[in-house]
Amino acid sequence: EMRLVESGGGIVQPGGSLRLSCGASGFSISYYWMHWVRQVPGKGLVWVARINVGGRGADYATSVKGRFTISRDDAKNTLYLQMNSLRAEDSGIYYCARKNYRDSRGYYVDGLDVWGQGTTVAVSS
Amino acid sequence: DIVLTQSPLSLSVTPGEPASISCRSSQSLLQNTGYTYLDWYVQKPGQAPKLLIFLGTRRASGVPDRFSGSGSGTDFTLKISRVEADDVGIYYCMQALQSPQTFGQGTKVEIK
Repeated sequence: EMRLVESGGGIVQPGGSLRLSCGASGFSISYYWMHWVRQVPGKGLVWVARINVGGRGADYATSVKGRFTISRDDAKNTLYLQMNSLRAEDSGIYYCARKNYRDSRGYYVDGLDVWGQGTTVAVSS
Repeated sequence: DIVLTQSPLSLSVTPGEPASISCRSSQSLLQNTGYTYLDWYVQKPGQAPKLLIFLGTRRASGVPDRFSGSGSGTDFTLKISRVEADDVGIYYCMQALQSPQTFGQGTKVEIK
């Protein structure tokens, strides 16, 4: 069974830092682009960041650029999100997700098809 | 950034009846490869989002054929042919054409 498990969430003061981890099992993340998505309670989903295969390219939401860094350790089958200079508006449930590219028959597919259960970040004084 | 606008923002449906959600993009989601990078996700209460539709019209593995995606360019629709009680949740469209990727505001589906 393919699984993603996030950890590292917690309560932090404004201006503080947190590092989220996302461990994968049942598949190797080395073949996939990986993403982070935030859910704001009572609001909606916000795309946060993505990292390409190999880890040499990453993209970020405008609101987190320069403060957050996505990275990966394929040997540990783990994705990370380093969050610095945290703000109240960064609060929410953070999900990691896998971007698929090929189905079991070898056809091209797309979409974020495997998600973790989320880890909660609360930025508050 | 590409802006996705969903409508309606909430929907109350009788079981067995159809439902339709619109997603409009501020720019075309058609890539020069011919693929259209628009996904649909549902988030049920207390759960992570789940992929329903990718590339605008293709059902993800295991998704019932009651769900269908249509549209092109900037206008897209998710249709549920016969709503079931288990379909309650918030439905989101997401564009994957360009970074930053963006979600629509979400449409809350409730059962009458």
